[in-house]
Order: sequence, then C-alpha cells, then structure tokens
Amino acid sequence: DQQVKQNSPSLSVQEGRISILNCDYTNSMFDYFLWYKKYPAEGPTFLISISSIKDKNEDGRFTVFLNKSAKHLSLHIVPSQPGDSAVYFCAAATGANNLFFGTGTRLTVIP
Amino acid sequence: ETGVTQSPTHLIKTRGQQVTLRCSSQSGHNTVSWYQQALGQGPQFIFQYYREEENGRGNFPPRFSGLQFPNYSSELNVNALELDDSALYLCASSPGLAGRYNEQFFGPGTRLTVL
Repeated sequence: DQQVKQNSPSLSVQEGRISILNCDYTNSMFDYFLWYKKYPAEGPTFLISISSIKDKNEDGRFTVFLNKSAKHLSLHIVPSQPGDSAVYFCAAATGANNLFFGTGTRLTVIP
Repeated sequence: ETGVTQSPTHLIKTRGQQVTLRCSSQSGHNTVSWYQQALGQGPQFIFQYYREEENGRGNFPPRFSGLQFPNYSSELNVNALELDDSALYLCASSPGLAGRYNEQFFGPGTRLTVL
C-alpha cells in the first residue's frame, strides 16, 4: 500500500522557469514531510522539509507547500537550473519513525 | 568528516544464495536504517538499528536480517535470495532515531542482481 504518491514520473522545464513537483499522501498521522534529491550513482540527499504545523517553508530557490486538508504537498524550484536535473523523492514520517518515500519524479531542466 | 559508505558497489548472486551488505555510518551517528529501492520505485524501509538494537522494521520477511556493531557500522543479510530481491540497497545513518528529529544521510547504495 503506497502511502506516499508522486503521480508524475517525469517533468521537463526550461532553465529559468519554475519547476513544480507534486506529492500526495494518505496517512493522516504523518506530521513531517521531506524532499530528497537523487543523482545517478549517489544516495538521496536531503533538500528541504516541513512540519505539519506549517503550510510553507522556504530555503533559497526551494519552497515546499503543505495542504493538510488535501493531503498534498508540492516543491517549487525557481528559477530552475540545469544542475537541478535529478530524481526528486517526497517522503513522510510520523514522529521519530522512519520515512515513507514516494516513487520519485525525474526533473529535467533544459538549458 | 567521512560520509556514509557502503560495500560492495555491485553484486551478482543466484537464486537461493545468501548475501551480506555492509555500511559504515557517518562519524557521530548511532542509528542506521536500511532501505530497498526496486527499479522505478522509491526506497522502502527494511529496518533501523539504534545503538546495536533493532528499532523498527518494515514489511520484509525474516530472511532479511541485520546487525549493528559497537562502532555503529551495520550489515544487512539476506538469505534464500529471490529474483525480486534484485534492487538498490541503501543505507542511511542519523545522529539519533530517524524521522523528524534527525536527518538521515544516505550512502550511494549497493546494487544487487539476483539471477
């Protein structure tokens, strides 16, 4: 049972434009959400997170939005850069428990 | 500061064999988690070790077992390998129990192929 879903396997965006990656979850007990970025032959690296008590968290070019009523979160990257091309995983956790990952979205930023 | 390392990088086994994968955690981290990432899927939690004790397990059969050593490095053992065990196995370490309180740092993974 996939508790965290990323329904878009891939996304292509022009350099300088906004990239929006989406994620849905089903477990209302999740109270912490994270985005990881993964390059080929490397492990996932932490990008940004958000607690369920917030609806937005921003870090430089990256902003994560959380809509608890819709059980939906999104990652906005603006402006997008070619180095942002990677697979992005959404993940969720409850308290001190482990992470549940989505299936990933491959972002390609076209120069 | 050395990051999380895993060995071997790649491994090919045949069905029914046993395999041991190794992980060295980042300095100062006492928790190691193991994940299985099948092709086209996200990482799936196998189990977590905290201070040498198993602390949490995902939906994996008992033939998946692990160990954590006093230096907090860890092993993942898989017995009676099946074709569906072919995947990338990721190890992640953290300075405490993983989740919202402690960021996990991932190694590059071990690619296991079962023929």
